[in-house]
Amino acid sequence: KAGVTQTPRYLIKTRGQQVTLSCSPISGHRSVSWYQQTPGQGLQFLFEYFSETQRNKGNFPGRFSGRQFSNSRSEMNVSTLELGDSALYLCASSFHSGRTYEQYFGPGTRLTVT
Amino acid sequence: SQQGEEDPQALSIQEGENATMNCSYKTSINNLQWYRQNSGRGLVHLILIRSNEREKHSGRLRVTLDTSKKSSSLLITASRAADTASYFCATDDQAGTALIFGKGTTLSVSS
Repeated sequence: KAGVTQTPRYLIKTRGQQVTLSCSPISGHRSVSWYQQTPGQGLQFLFEYFSETQRNKGNFPGRFSGRQFSNSRSEMNVSTLELGDSALYLCASSFHSGRTYEQYFGPGTRLTVT
Repeated sequence: SQQGEEDPQALSIQEGENATMNCSYKTSINNLQWYRQNSGRGLVHLILIRSNEREKHSGRLRVTLDTSKKSSSLLITASRAADTASYFCATDDQAGTALIFGKGTTLSVSS
């Protein structure tokens, strides 16, 4: 089975722009979670989607949004980018929701905001 | 918010030595997990220990859990250069659908 894939792997954007990141889960997995990793705040949960429904949301401003499609692929969007949004964005997939120990992580998208 | 706090933040050892990392957490848990991350890449699940377990082994990994002290430790025996990575402990949030990570321990193993 192919693993979790994330595109693009690297991205450079300018403050004020918006960005969309994509995550393709392992085939058959219906849950996709997103995490942000920064040197200052570490790894923080953004949101989880299961069968196209947002099941859980972390403590992030409304500029961060996401969605999941019927094929379980997920996208996250960040609008009005700030310098502090520079981070590694990781997604993880699992078959079930609520079984974090069954999650597989993708390689991440490195976003740099200048 | 961070649930776990790893100690030490950084650890440098020689190949063949053992590496011990500690993690403390704040709230009651159902389980605790350890992850490895190589050089800012994806996370790899290493081991899960449930709240009713005190010790668990997987290959060269040994994890202990002390729920009375809200702490866990990860021991890597006979370290190799390939073990160089960051290690994170993680627990579930209240909903059980999100991981709350500690800040991690960066392990450097030199040959």
